[in-house]
Amino acid sequence: GAVVSQHPSWVICKSGTSVKIECRSLDFQATTMFWYRQFPKQSLMLMATSNEGSKATYEQGVEKDKFLINHASLTLSTLTVTSAHPEDSSFYICSAGELAGGTDTQYFGPGTRLTVL
Amino acid sequence: RKEVEQDPGPFNVPEGATVAFNCTYSNSASQSFFWYRQDCRKEPKLLMSVYSSGNEDGRFTAQLNRASQYISLLIRDSKLSDSATYLCAVKPLGTGRRALTFGSGTRLQVQP
Repeated sequence: GAVVSQHPSWVICKSGTSVKIECRSLDFQATTMFWYRQFPKQSLMLMATSNEGSKATYEQGVEKDKFLINHASLTLSTLTVTSAHPEDSSFYICSAGELAGGTDTQYFGPGTRLTVL
Repeated sequence: RKEVEQDPGPFNVPEGATVAFNCTYSNSASQSFFWYRQDCRKEPKLLMSVYSSGNEDGRFTAQLNRASQYISLLIRDSKLSDSATYLCAVKPLGTGRRALTFGSGTRLQVQP
């Protein structure tokens, strides 16, 4: 299957700082990537859809000025958590869709565990 | 009502047992269905897509019941390594969005 990488795998930061997370599709081009967030014992919740060369589409309740998304190329999307606070501590996972054989399959990056002190 | 619902479990079963999970979805326009496996503190990994006619992959069988709006996953001859959380995911048809909506997952614990 297709490979999606994410960096960093974990990060600890102080409250008020910004954190950038990178998501790369390694062996295919992804015009669309998705950013999810998962709190402990909860499901993945879609935060935003990242489209190459255009603005991201945010889900209701997700602050676009706090979670900045940039999808500058067909293989890279970045999520920046600005002015992070402890309540932003979570597991952030990106995914990229690959269309092959008429099937649209999403592959997930390994996730980034963010802890804000 | 949640778009996708699963029994959180945990399902505690002995090795070799057969176990089945169901997942219900509320959007009748849902088109694509998937089962993902998620290990603790890891990303979800695609286990199998679910096709209208049902499909099997080794010990795993997935089925779709559109009339009752649920999908199921059957695991035969459970192994210790099957212990994980199983997430079902659905994608609607024709909205232009390709994002998945996930259930909260069903935790399976296979015991020796």
